[in-house]
Amino acid sequence: KNEVEQSPQNLTAQEGEFITINCSYSVGISALHWLQQHPGGGIVSLFMLSSGKKKHGRLIATINIQEKHSSLHITASHPRDSAVYICAVRKSGNTPLVFGKGTRLSVIA
Amino acid sequence: DAGVIQSPRHEVTEMGQEVTLRCKPISGHNSLFWYRQTMMRGLELLIYFNNNVPIDDSGMPEDRFSAKMPNASFSTLKIQPSEPRDSAVYFCASSPQAGSYNEQFFGPGTRLTVL
Repeated sequence: KNEVEQSPQNLTAQEGEFITINCSYSVGISALHWLQQHPGGGIVSLFMLSSGKKKHGRLIATINIQEKHSSLHITASHPRDSAVYICAVRKSGNTPLVFGKGTRLSVIA
Repeated sequence: DAGVIQSPRHEVTEMGQEVTLRCKPISGHNSLFWYRQTMMRGLELLIYFNNNVPIDDSGMPEDRFSAKMPNASFSTLKIQPSEPRDSAVYFCASSPQAGSYNEQFFGPGTRLTVL
């Protein structure tokens, strides 16, 4: 069983819809990361969080440490949000990331 | 800030050839990570360094893979001999070492195709 599970694997939404991507993990962590990978392949860090909630523009990330669960929300989705969103955890300190398989999001105009 | 630099961006080679991928981390970052991304397995760690010292190479598939970090500003990942199953995108990432909450900054990746 993967240590980091994401759902859904694929998601298609209409422009303007509210989107939620979920991530569950089974190990103790020091931080959880949400990454975005566009079709060109580059990986960008969206959020790094260890508790509570963070917001950046239309993106919101939450984490519940007790339940080992995080969500990434996109409000008022737009076609340019189409990408693969990857959840990753860091078990301790400055150790490598352990990745989920990603959620492929397509937002249709 | 130039970010993490990787070269080449694309590499096409024939089975049996030696392949060398290069990475320059962000200046001042003490940790460097090599990851591999495939359709089947997603992103996986190959090896990482702290202060130029390899810490965990358990993700290196086999002896055909080797990585070095001769100084704080340069790392190489070498595959010799290469095989078609090595085809993947190889990402290098770097991170500051201070404290527990460190972002990782990814390079653009090297797309390797072994024919």
